[in-house]
Amino acid sequence: DAGVTQSPTHLIKTRGQQVTLRCSPKSGHDTVSWYQQALGQGPQFIFQYYEEEERQRGNFPDRFSGHQFPNYSSELNVNALLLGDSALYLCASSASVGTGFRQFFGPGTRLTVL
Amino acid sequence: KQEVTQIPAALSVPEGENLVLNCSFTDSAIYNLQWFRQDPGKGLTSLLLIQSSQREQTSGRLNASLDKSSGRSTLYIAASQPGDSATYLCAVEYGNKLVFGAGTILRVKS
Repeated sequence: DAGVTQSPTHLIKTRGQQVTLRCSPKSGHDTVSWYQQALGQGPQFIFQYYEEEERQRGNFPDRFSGHQFPNYSSELNVNALLLGDSALYLCASSASVGTGFRQFFGPGTRLTVL
Repeated sequence: KQEVTQIPAALSVPEGENLVLNCSFTDSAIYNLQWFRQDPGKGLTSLLLIQSSQREQTSGRLNASLDKSSGRSTLYIAASQPGDSATYLCAVEYGNKLVFGAGTILRVKS
């Protein structure tokens, strides 16, 4: 049983560009959350998708958007990249959130903005 | 505001020592609390999850406790080993999101 997978592993972009990160949840999971982890800090919640809709959003600008597909996989899109967007982007999946079900994390995508 | 604080920020101990990592949170209306391990440049590995109705969880040499009323959790690591060297993150679940502390960087010297 594959766990949470993310692609690509690493990505280098320049300021102003757009990027798309991808996540496939663990088998049996229908909820996907995205987190941003800057160097030396804990992960920060970006948003969560359930039933192909954004269910909750953290304190991130509209440049950050997402999508969930019918197979529960998800994409994170970031427009007009800033140097401060450089971080490890983590995807987490769960069967249900808010009822004590564990979130499982993928290995992350390291984004570097030059 | 929901905040999670971890103390100490870094810890260096000789192999074999027992140690305690601390986590505190400002909003006690939690669903659960998790402790994660993160190796450099890697994703998160869940170590222990404590439901809000529980007081502690144990897995091997690890024991985590939760005191909701005081907004505190501790992770106890017994007989530390060099392989335990990593960053340990505390995360509190509020509704549909996890709120993380900044982590404790642990180094176990052989």
